[in-house]
Amino acid sequence: GENVEQHPSTLSVQEGDSAVIKCTYSDSASNYFPWYKQELGKGPQLIIDIRSNVGEKKDQRIAVTLNKTAKHFSLHITETQPEDSAVYFCAASIKWGNYKLTFGKGTLLTVNP
Amino acid sequence: SAVISQKPSRDICQRGTSLTIQCQVDSQVTMMFWYRQQPGQSLTLIATANQGSEATYESGFVIDKFPISRPNLTFSTLTVSNMSPEDSSIYLCSVDIASTGELFFGEGSRLTVL
Repeated sequence: GENVEQHPSTLSVQEGDSAVIKCTYSDSASNYFPWYKQELGKGPQLIIDIRSNVGEKKDQRIAVTLNKTAKHFSLHITETQPEDSAVYFCAASIKWGNYKLTFGKGTLLTVNP
Repeated sequence: SAVISQKPSRDICQRGTSLTIQCQVDSQVTMMFWYRQQPGQSLTLIATANQGSEATYESGFVIDKFPISRPNLTFSTLTVSNMSPEDSSIYLCSVDIASTGELFFGEGSRLTVL
């Protein structure tokens, strides 16, 4: 089955700096890659996703890149703010719409004011 | 977007008892799922809640331990049966609101078993 590795497990940055979280996946058939943000005491929130037919997607300060050849994808957050502090999870799905997401172990991002 | 409500939000239970978690969505959704998030861990899919039929369980999860109901397109329940401390987790309901393949999660039900 699919295996998703995520790193780093913790990341601390200064406000205004950029943050990058990287994930690798094992199954070359995977074609849907969402990212979730989970704040303390809350459920995961979908923040951005990318499908295998594109290499990059951007939404304001957040961007995701995908390299299918290398089987890795990354989340980029620019101009970080304290409210970006949370746990971020990457995930992969063999087929978009089959909902069987395999999640990475998460990255605790701390943005220091 | 839809509102996904879970009850209870948290509970402390005794070993050997059972607890039923409810998930209510404010719009009809085709696909509804239950996930488990163990302390400090990632999310694991327990089962797909199928409307009008038996749930589809993932490897490692069985109906006797985690019975699921899905009486209509807006509601589902997950029961954690004969609980042990190892069942202490956050249980999350998730749905595909617009049948787009994107999953949205409820706030979770935080269960502690003593």
